[in-house]
Amino acid sequence: GAGVSQSPSNKVTEKGKDVELRCDPISGHTALYWYRQSLGQGLEFLIYFQGNSAPDKSGLPSDRFSAERTGGSVSTLTIQRTQQEDSAVYLCASSLEATYYNSPLHFGNGTRLTVT
Amino acid sequence: AQSVTQLGSHVSVSEGALVLLRCNYSSSVPPYLFWYVQYPNQGLQLLLKYTSAATLVKGINGFEAEFKKSETSFHLTKPSAHMSDAAEYFCAVSGRNAGGTSYGKLTFGQGTILTVHP
Repeated sequence: GAGVSQSPSNKVTEKGKDVELRCDPISGHTALYWYRQSLGQGLEFLIYFQGNSAPDKSGLPSDRFSAERTGGSVSTLTIQRTQQEDSAVYLCASSLEATYYNSPLHFGNGTRLTVT
Repeated sequence: AQSVTQLGSHVSVSEGALVLLRCNYSSSVPPYLFWYVQYPNQGLQLLLKYTSAATLVKGINGFEAEFKKSETSFHLTKPSAHMSDAAEYFCAVSGRNAGGTSYGKLTFGQGTILTVHP
């Protein structure tokens, strides 16, 4: 079956512009996560959604970052007024359920964001 | 609070040799521990997980890891390296509490790049 799909795979943007990154999770997965992978910081949790519950935004680095998940499926991560330190690979993952330990994360291939 | 330390950002082994990737964790609650592998330009793939059942956990591709509470370690091993094992490996921890944790909200180590040479 189809895995987690992320688009675009690569994005180059100018400093100060807004960007939107998209994630299509595996069908039927109720939990969706965003992580950021950068050279200096490694892999960092950003945000997760579980069903209709309020998202856990505790990992978002600043108020320039936001995410939404429409209809319990597709998610969009938006970065406003991009800065060079936002350059990273943004990984999306989904799982059947957030609170069940036998529900492993399935990761997409990521979006590589470069801010010039 | 949780943290993970992977000792050695780069490990190089010969094909057929033992692979040992080290991971130590810190957690204020009984942890769940994971090893993920990342191949170039791909996402992460779960190798194995420890969820408080057996302390010796077997995963895919011949990898296994042993949870040692006294040493707060969860080292990854494979008896005989293969060229296809060359990748970056991440150890991760998720905590659990009475409120019901999200097991996907992971704290990752910095990663270890494994190189396998002929």
